[in-house]
Amino acid sequence: GQNIDQPTEMTATEGAIVQINCTYQTSGFNGLFWYQQHAGEAPTFLSYNVLDGLEEKGRFSSFLSRSKGYSYLLLKELQMKDSASYLCAVKDNQGGKLIFGQGTELSVKP
Amino acid sequence: EAGVTQFPSHSVIEKGQTVTLRCDPISGHDNLYWYRRVMGKEIKFLLHFVKESKQDESGMPNNRFLAERTGGTYSTLKVQPAELEDSGVYFCASSQVEVGSPLHFGNGTRLTVT
Repeated sequence: GQNIDQPTEMTATEGAIVQINCTYQTSGFNGLFWYQQHAGEAPTFLSYNVLDGLEEKGRFSSFLSRSKGYSYLLLKELQMKDSASYLCAVKDNQGGKLIFGQGTELSVKP
Repeated sequence: EAGVTQFPSHSVIEKGQTVTLRCDPISGHDNLYWYRRVMGKEIKFLLHFVKESKQDESGMPNNRFLAERTGGTYSTLKVQPAELEDSGVYFCASSQVEVGSPLHFGNGTRLTVT
């Protein structure tokens, strides 16, 4: 079966650091994506990991451990505009479709 | 470059009616995907085109849903006849064929069946 778990909600303070975890159990694996989605808008691409380790891109970093079926998204120097839903998605190795978790609703408070 | 565009942004129809959703992918993207998000649930895969061919339609709920991509450009998703449980947000996404290319999503069509 396909199962991707991430926390439903998180709250953090402006200027702080927050880590959003994602665990997955999928029949195939061809990479893991993180997307950001503001209400009523399109999901937008944040990061892609296919090998173990950390990928850093500005204030956002993403980590992957394939042996543990685990990833996290790290957001530094939080800004109010970072309040959004963060989606973890695994790309399967048959056709390349994405399998999504339910998303983590992040609220950044002043 | 222009992003993925979807039309209409909202549609309210009665049970039993027909609705056609349209998606214009990013120019040059051979991969085109349809996804759906029902309230309170995760975004779920419906089907995948490579150019004009259906690569994977394992996520299509039933035969009331018909997707086409004539000429390998824009795509349509028709629901006929619509049922209450078809309500949700329908997203289209496109990508290049290279491994690791991210999917670019449209803003979605919010479908409400009453």
